[in-house]
Amino acid sequence: GAVVSQHPSWVICKSGTSVKIECRSLDFQATTMFWYRQFPKQSLMLMATSNEGSKATYEQGVEKDKFLINHASLTLSTLTVTSAHPEDSSFYICSATHPQGADTEAFFGQGTRLTVV
Amino acid sequence: GDSVTQMEGPVTLSEEAFLTINCTYTATGYPSLFWYVQYPGEGLQLLLKATKADDKGSNKGFEATYRKETTSFHLEKGSVQVSDSAVYFCALGRMNRDDKIIFGKGTRLHILP
Repeated sequence: GAVVSQHPSWVICKSGTSVKIECRSLDFQATTMFWYRQFPKQSLMLMATSNEGSKATYEQGVEKDKFLINHASLTLSTLTVTSAHPEDSSFYICSATHPQGADTEAFFGQGTRLTVV
Repeated sequence: GDSVTQMEGPVTLSEEAFLTINCTYTATGYPSLFWYVQYPGEGLQLLLKATKADDKGSNKGFEATYRKETTSFHLEKGSVQVSDSAVYFCALGRMNRDDKIIFGKGTRLHILP
C-alpha cells in the first residue's frame, strides 16, 4: 500500500517555542491530508483538513492561529504548533487518502509525540 | 454530525478467548465503516472495512458486519492471540467525497498468555 511518513517521530520543546511536524506521502500525490490529535486514553480527534494550494479547513474548537497548517506541495503538509504550552503535549498523526482499486483508503503516518516542558 | 461510539476499554482476555468489541455509529446516508488497529509505538493500520450495508469485512481472523438496521459494526475474533494486543479504533468515512474519517475513542485490548 501507499506510505505516509511523519517527521519527527518525537520531539521535546520548551514552553513558548514553536514546533513543526512534517507529513509526506512517499509514493503518491495527496491533494488532501488530515491532521489528528490523539489524546490520553486513546481518543483520536480530527484537527484539520489540509488542502494543497489553499487554506486548511479546521474543525470546530481548533485554534487555527495556534496550529498552522501548510500544504505547499502534493506530497508534503506541515503542522506547526506555535507558542507551545504543556497542554499541547500529545500524539499528532497525519493521514492521506489514496485510491486502492475501486475504493479509496486512508494511510497514516507513524505519528509524532510532542512533549512541551 | 457523524459520530462513532465504541465500548470503553481496556479489555483483558486470555489467549484463545472469543473477542467482541462493540461499535455503533450515527450518520446520514451510507458511510463506509472501518476498523483500524494501533500496535504499541506505531501509527494506525487499516484492519478491515465495509462499504455498504450487510457487507462483511475480514482480515487476520477478525470480522465485522455493516448492520444498517442497528447502525453497528462490531468487531469479532474467534480466538485471540497475544500478538493481537493493541488499541482498536472503529471509524466511519465518506470516501470519494470529503475523505474525512471520524474515529471512535479506541479500545485497548490486552491478551494474556
